[in-house]
Amino acid sequence: ETGVTQTPRHLVMGMTNKKSLKCEQHLGHNAMYWYKQSAKKPLELMFVYNFKEQTENNSVPSRFSPECPNSSHLFLHLHTLQPEDSALYLCASSQTTSGYNEQFFGPGTRLTVL
Amino acid sequence: RKEVEQDPGPFNVPEGATVAFNCTYSNSASQSFFWYRQDCRKEPKLLMSVYSSGNEDGRFTAQLNRASQYISLLIRDSKLSDSATYLCVVRGSTLGRLYFGRGTQLTVWP
Repeated sequence: ETGVTQTPRHLVMGMTNKKSLKCEQHLGHNAMYWYKQSAKKPLELMFVYNFKEQTENNSVPSRFSPECPNSSHLFLHLHTLQPEDSALYLCASSQTTSGYNEQFFGPGTRLTVL
Repeated sequence: RKEVEQDPGPFNVPEGATVAFNCTYSNSASQSFFWYRQDCRKEPKLLMSVYSSGNEDGRFTAQLNRASQYISLLIRDSKLSDSATYLCVVRGSTLGRLYFGRGTQLTVWP
């Protein structure tokens, strides 16, 4: 399935590195999301973009910096991360942010911070 | 208090069994309700939305009780392919914000 794609699928980085996660959706949606999924914890919403505008930042530390250049692309820029940031980072999209619009998830990037 | 609470399981049932999952949510103003399924090391996928009157999709039946802030999922005639983690998901009163439960793990054995 290629509705929502994410790259890279796996990433190992040191605490001083800078890296970026990329998400692309081919569904014509207007809303995009970043989620974090840690072991034995529920999915945590990080950021929401609706029509390229950030509408929600769920108290995410500034070492995570999102960018949404257009409705089809979403980036998560990472710098000076901590080992506890190791997790699966999932991107999702939906038609808009309202109502019963289904969110479609990408396969995720499994991030390990050493 | 967590927004969405689920029994994490695991539930281990034989093929053909009926199994039920429960979920409670804390925000009485929640707007929409869903069950997602997540296979091991895969992304979550929508299984079904949950409507106020309850709804059925094949072997799957979802129920919502707004007064008790309780959602359920019933799976009849379990198949091996039903083995997965089932996530209870609630949309809060803030647009676009979904709250996920920790998930209930189901294993169906032959």
